[in-house]
Amino acid sequence: DGGITQSPKYLFRKEGQNVTLSCEQNLNHDAMYWYRQDPGQGLRLIYYSQIVNDFQKGDIAEGYSVSREKKESFPLTVTSAQKNPTAFYLCASSMLGVGAKNIQYFGAGTRLSVL
Amino acid sequence: GNSVTQMEGPVTLSEEAFLTINCTYTATGYPSLFWYVQYPGEGLQLLLKATKADDKGSNKGFEATYRKETTSFHLEKGSVQVSDSAVYFCALDSGGSNYKLTFGKGTLLTVNP
Repeated sequence: DGGITQSPKYLFRKEGQNVTLSCEQNLNHDAMYWYRQDPGQGLRLIYYSQIVNDFQKGDIAEGYSVSREKKESFPLTVTSAQKNPTAFYLCASSMLGVGAKNIQYFGAGTRLSVL
Repeated sequence: GNSVTQMEGPVTLSEEAFLTINCTYTATGYPSLFWYVQYPGEGLQLLLKATKADDKGSNKGFEATYRKETTSFHLEKGSVQVSDSAVYFCALDSGGSNYKLTFGKGTLLTVNP
């Protein structure tokens, strides 16, 4: 089945620790995105990437880092600089180009909590 | 900049009631508009979309019409079911080269039997 796989489903972070959230897609999509979801705030874009080895900051990139070494993979690292990391993190992907209409497909999410 | 405003939730309805969730937007140009649904503990799924003025998106009994004159994209369903209980997000894509979506804050719908 084609889709987006996020892991782990639940993750706990200790003070001062970096943690990495995995996102893999087998849809052959060019673009991938990371969103943060907090109660009552909707989705906010952290980073996005339209091509391998290139990515752009979204609206709330501070305290996060990403890499895009392979088309299928777009891991997100929550660094110790992110002081309020507790949230639900969603990864998405989409095709690009005229006609794609930017329909984004989402993974099931990772819930990150601070110990 | 672009923005999406959804009606505040939560919305609680009885089964078979009529549903409206209001969505208005601010954007430059001619955005595409979307409704996504999020069931408990899951990611978002595309529910319907419209890409130009007066288009009507529809899926699973839900409908929304792209109204440019009122900058609105209200979600409606004639008869809701318990299984429709979820969070609904309105979103827009303003086009251009960055392909970013702007989301509303979401509206929680609970349908009681």
